[in-house]
Amino acid sequence: GEDVEQSLFLSVREGDSSVINCTYTDSSSTYLYWYKQEPGAGLQLLTYIFSNMDMKQDQRLTVLLNKKDKHLSLRIADTQTGDSAIYFCAESLSGNTPLVFGKGTRLSVIA
Amino acid sequence: DTEVTQTPKHLVMGMTNKKSLKCEQHMGHRAMYWYKQKAKKPPELMFVYSYEKLSINESVPSRFSPECPNSSLLNLHLHALQPEDSALYLCASSEDRENTGELFFGEGSRLTVL
Repeated sequence: GEDVEQSLFLSVREGDSSVINCTYTDSSSTYLYWYKQEPGAGLQLLTYIFSNMDMKQDQRLTVLLNKKDKHLSLRIADTQTGDSAIYFCAESLSGNTPLVFGKGTRLSVIA
Repeated sequence: DTEVTQTPKHLVMGMTNKKSLKCEQHMGHRAMYWYKQKAKKPPELMFVYSYEKLSINESVPSRFSPECPNSSLLNLHLHALQPEDSALYLCASSEDRENTGELFFGEGSRLTVL
C-alpha cells in the first residue's frame, strides 16, 4: 500500500536554508506534492513534481526527486519567520486518485 | 476569485444536535472534497464529489451526510455525532477529478462535540 513518511520537526535560523525530507513507498507514484499549513488554516499547495522530473525550482523553493530511493525533498532558501508552518508531502498514483499525505513536518524558524 | 469559503469557522454541538457545515467555491471547479483533520495529524479524505455526484465515500459513518446542491456548493450534514468526531473539517476543490492533487483548501470548520 501507499505510505508517506516525514520527520516530524525541523528548526532553522532565519536566513538559513531549510530542507524537509519525505520518503514514499509506492514506486508507481506519478505526482508528488508539497502542501503548507499555517496555524488555524487550511492547506496551501506550494509546488508539485511529476515522476519524470528530477528537480523543480520555483523562486525560493526547490524540489528534488530521487526516484531510485523514493525520496523527495523541499528546500526553502533564505527561510523567513513567515515560513513557520507544517509542511505535508503527498503522493498520487495518477491524476485522479486521492492524495496520500505524510504526517507533516513542523518547521520552526528562529529569528 | 481563488477562494474556498467555509462556514461556520467554529461549531460546538451536543451529541443529539443536527447541524451543517457549508463550503462554497466560485472557481468553476467540478470536484469537491471533504477532509477531516485531527490535531497533529494529516487530513483524512472523507468524500469526493465529481460533477455533483458522489464518487468516493471513504467508509465514513452515516452520521456524516454530504450533499452537493450545485457545482459551487458542498454541505456536510451532521447528526448524532460523538466526541471523537471533534476535529477540523476541511473542504477542498480541484478543477476536476483528473487533478486530485492540485487542491484548493478552505480555512476549515473547527467542530467540537460535547
